[in-house]
Amino acid sequence: DAGVIQSPRHEVTEMGQEVTLRCKPISGHDYLFWYRQTMMRGLELLIYFNNNVPIDDSGMPEDRFSAKMPNASFSTLKIQPSEPRDSAVYFCASSPTSFTNTGELFFGEGSRLTVL
Amino acid sequence: LAKTTQPISMDSYEGQEVNITCSHNNIATNDYITWYQQFPSQGPRFIIQGYKTKVTNEVASLFIPADRKSSTLSLPRVSLSDTAVYYCLVVYTNAGKSTFGDGTTLTVKP
Repeated sequence: DAGVIQSPRHEVTEMGQEVTLRCKPISGHDYLFWYRQTMMRGLELLIYFNNNVPIDDSGMPEDRFSAKMPNASFSTLKIQPSEPRDSAVYFCASSPTSFTNTGELFFGEGSRLTVL
Repeated sequence: LAKTTQPISMDSYEGQEVNITCSHNNIATNDYITWYQQFPSQGPRFIIQGYKTKVTNEVASLFIPADRKSSTLSLPRVSLSDTAVYYCLVVYTNAGKSTFGDGTTLTVKP
């Protein structure tokens, strides 16, 4: 199994530009999670999906952030417009069951975003 | 949700046992504790999960006392490759939420 695949691995953009991060979960995993990691705030859950449906988006910082999961094998996290404070590493993770039952998440290698 | 607290850093030497404690005072009956390991430029990787008492797998043990307000990850005979950041994650089952600790940077010295 290839694991969770994220792209791009690195993104440098200018303030005001649109950023789209992509994720392919492990096949057969029904849950998909987007996390953000910064030195100041650590690992934060932004949103998670179950069977392509958003379940909890309370961690999404503001309206500039949106996430979609059009099918079981693909999800995007979009920031529009981007700001320097959005600079972080964004992780996608998937799980075969509800993380509230097992807690085992399979993380991708992350997308490092730098907004100038 | 209650804050999950871990020591910021720990140092150890090869071959020693390392114990990292996480405090989660407001944990409820059905909530789980999970530990992850993270290397630079990689995503966190699952190590072990527990609910109560003791859980052991091929890489670590997890000790959870009766009151469950804390948990201890035990790494036996660490090596240099165990140098990483270790995160405690409490899964609040009824709330459908989870909280990562701030992570403990473990440095293993030769």
